[in-house]
Amino acid sequence: DVKVTQSSRYLVKRTGEKVFLECVQDMDHENMFWYRQDPGLGLRLIYFSYDVKMKEKGDIPEGYSVSREKKERFSLILESASTNQTSMYLCASSLSLENQPQHFGDGTRLSIL
Amino acid sequence: DAKTTQPTSMDCAEGRAANLPCNHSTISGNEYVYWYRQIHSQGPQYIIHGLKNNETNEMASLIITEDRKSSTLILPHATLRDTAVYYCIVRLYSSASKIIFGSGTRLSIRP
Repeated sequence: DVKVTQSSRYLVKRTGEKVFLECVQDMDHENMFWYRQDPGLGLRLIYFSYDVKMKEKGDIPEGYSVSREKKERFSLILESASTNQTSMYLCASSLSLENQPQHFGDGTRLSIL
Repeated sequence: DAKTTQPTSMDCAEGRAANLPCNHSTISGNEYVYWYRQIHSQGPQYIIHGLKNNETNEMASLIITEDRKSSTLILPHATLRDTAVYYCIVRLYSSASKIIFGSGTRLSIRP
């Protein structure tokens, strides 16, 4: 079974802090993704990576950065957390082949106070 | 990606087959139909996908109409653990294309 593991299920941080969200997959997938999910807004893509050290902006990259130093690990960084970044963050991964599905982790519910 | 339309909610008796419909009348030739579900407070779970042929795996069956404008996800023997929001999406064949969920169908399984 595909396993995508996010480091924390729940996280509480303060405004202005630098926040790191970690994601690890054990299926040797080339593609990795970070989404956020908010009520009424659905799923929105923040960043994705198709290879080590490669990254592409999604639809809402502002205020975020990412790091992919190893194939299995994709980190999302909130440079200076703000209250509007309170959300459910979801990591996903997929093989870099035609029509391969994305597999999601269980999410990190992040609250910025 | 093409837009999909699903009923807001459905219910099904435990042990019976749950049939979840999805309309995707503007689907293009290189778009696949995917189904995911999301149990409360968990990440989305991939269920099944297909292009034009019917598909079956250990979780479900996917029936796609010949004109590809609609599909049905079938959970053959629903259990209480199948209570979730089910999302039907269509997306390009590229595995790197983003996923966009619509409102989905909230499926309730009654004992």
